[in-house]
Amino acid sequence: QSVLTQPPSASGTPGQRVTISCSGSSSNIGSTYVYWYQQLPGTAPKLLIYRNNQRPSGVPDRFSGSKSGTSASLAISGLRSEDEAHYYCAAWDDGLSGPGLYVFGTGTKVTVL
Amino acid sequence: QVQLVQSGAEVKKPGASVRVSCKASGYSFTSYVITWVRQAAGQGLEWVGWMNPDSGNTAYAQSFQGRVTMTRDISISTAYMELSSLTSEDTAVYFCARGLYDSSAYYYWGQGTLLTVAS
Repeated sequence: QSVLTQPPSASGTPGQRVTISCSGSSSNIGSTYVYWYQQLPGTAPKLLIYRNNQRPSGVPDRFSGSKSGTSASLAISGLRSEDEAHYYCAAWDDGLSGPGLYVFGTGTKVTVL
Repeated sequence: QVQLVQSGAEVKKPGASVRVSCKASGYSFTSYVITWVRQAAGQGLEWVGWMNPDSGNTAYAQSFQGRVTMTRDISISTAYMELSSLTSEDTAVYFCARGLYDSSAYYYWGQGTLLTVAS
């Protein structure tokens, strides 16, 4: 059971904007950076966003991250068919799970209709 | 270019141990932390722990404490993750990863190693 909660699914038509939320607490998102990963079926995760809102080189600017308090969001604008994948948020947690635990969110499956 | 190449699939019986390797190339092996993440079929990602190849220091998720050991062989730029007392719940794909922009931004990933635990 992850301490970072995401909606199980999200969808949109090509060109639309989709937003994925990631809800945490003061022991994780509220006090550390948030990271976002994209995972296509059968492949390793790909880093999309680091340090809340920074995009690695090569990641389209259609992907953007934000954080406010104990929640974070990933927005995908101009949705494309190749964006159909699972998306995971992640952050360090210093709560009940013990110090220094890197936690992933529950994951959101994005479907392009 | 940076590459992390993992060992092949494993099948183990309950109670056994497994060692998965992750061979790094394209960079200075001792300069970056190696992290291990696992994923059961159809499930999310689970952080197992990390190892500093330079110092050998490690940190493990509490849920794996006492069962996981991360080591390295600097001479061949290879990191290892050993998991003992296996149960069916350990059946998963295990990934090694390395950060780029910071040690927690896992940019480089191995291809994954499928571990199947079955009697």
